[in-house]
Amino acid sequence: QKEVEQDPGPLSVPEGAIVSLNCTYSNSAFQYFMWYRQYSRKGPELLMYTYSSGNKEDGRFTAQVDKSSKYISLFIRDSQPSDSATYLCAFGNFNKFYFGSGTKLNVKP
Amino acid sequence: GAVVSQHPSRVICKSGTSVKIECRSLDFQATTMFWYRQFPKQSLMLMATSNEGSKATYEQGVEKDKFLINHASLTLSTLTVTSAHPEDSSFYICSASRRDRALYSNQPQHFGDGTRLSIL
Repeated sequence: QKEVEQDPGPLSVPEGAIVSLNCTYSNSAFQYFMWYRQYSRKGPELLMYTYSSGNKEDGRFTAQVDKSSKYISLFIRDSQPSDSATYLCAFGNFNKFYFGSGTKLNVKP
Repeated sequence: GAVVSQHPSRVICKSGTSVKIECRSLDFQATTMFWYRQFPKQSLMLMATSNEGSKATYEQGVEKDKFLINHASLTLSTLTVTSAHPEDSSFYICSASRRDRALYSNQPQHFGDGTRLSIL
């Protein structure tokens, strides 16, 4: 079983839509739960991170962690064309980090 | 957010050349730096983990004599691709992290903007 599973997409939505991106994981020892955004030919940018189950909100972005189901989500409200990028979930445990394969999102104007 | 600077952003050179890539943590002391390689439309592939003042730990299949990593200070790590060949052409990305003493772990990584290496 893979440590992290993430649907590669691509996911195409109209501008203004609510986007839901998801990852599952298998290691219950993960301590950090993160979402990165990567534009083409750029390094990933840390969007949000949390240590605990529940929701964390930052502007149009909400990160949700369900440790009991080993499932994390990123919600993007009022999506914009500038949100078009690849989104990677990531998990941290001590000195090891595990990344999803990334979901490519396209927000159409 | 934290800033990690990676230089150069683009390198084109002849086969057999050695190429050095620098990764600097500009606004925090990075106890650990990571080096990744990324192929088109694929996720990040960890090459090595580097703790300040100690030897890098390489992932399986990554040649340590080919990819030399130096982490001499808390703000600078370098990756040198020695005698580069066309198959080494790729997008190389560094990241930096600092110790979270409360969790006995590293905090989330902050990434540089990557170096696109093309070997002719």
